Amino acid sequence: GNSVTQMEGPVTLSEEAFLTINCTYTATGYPSLFWYVQYPGEGLQLLLKATKADDKGSNKGFEATYRKETTSFHLEKGSVQVSDSAVYFCALAGTASKLTFGTGTRLQVTL
Amino acid sequence: DSGVTQTPKHLITATGQRVTLRCSPRSGDLSVYWYQQSLDQGLQFLIQYYNGEERAKGNILERFSAQQFPDLHSELNLSSLELGDSALYFCASSTPNYGYTFGSGTRLTVV
Repeated sequence: GNSVTQMEGPVTLSEEAFLTINCTYTATGYPSLFWYVQYPGEGLQLLLKATKADDKGSNKGFEATYRKETTSFHLEKGSVQVSDSAVYFCALAGTASKLTFGTGTRLQVTL
Repeated sequence: DSGVTQTPKHLITATGQRVTLRCSPRSGDLSVYWYQQSLDQGLQFLIQYYNGEERAKGNILERFSAQQFPDLHSELNLSSLELGDSALYFCASSTPNYGYTFGSGTRLTVV
């Protein structure tokens, strides 16, 4: 079946540092890939998505590129802010359309 | 406001009891998904409905059931509650072009 593996957290960075959160997946066919963000006490918000190989999703300074050859969808941001502190979930949607999530990575950004 | 409405936001109940969680999907979305988020299990897919019919089933216990009504709202029924059922329950809706939208969740506490 489908699965998503993402790096364990927590990840602690200073403001303006570079962020990478690794995500790899296992799926049959050609899934769509997503990053969701969950701020404290809130629901899941779509951060970005990519629907086919080599697509780059981007939003609010975050980027991720769909790499089929390495089955990866790593999340990056060049300069994080304190307001980026949240839990980030990598997810995929296969032919069955339901989302399969990774375990989530908590990001803590300090001044 | 994501457009997906979940009620109630918080629920505290005793073991052995039965509760109903409600979800109204984004206007026009035919698919509704239920997810459980707990500390030890992460985000687990429970069940999907499409236009009133069950479409996919995930890790949903036999004590849990769901349905989608003609007006497309959905209810998740949890019975014979146990302490381990304490979790955040999310509903999401989707359309093929727009993607998935999550509600803010119902936090269930079983005491």
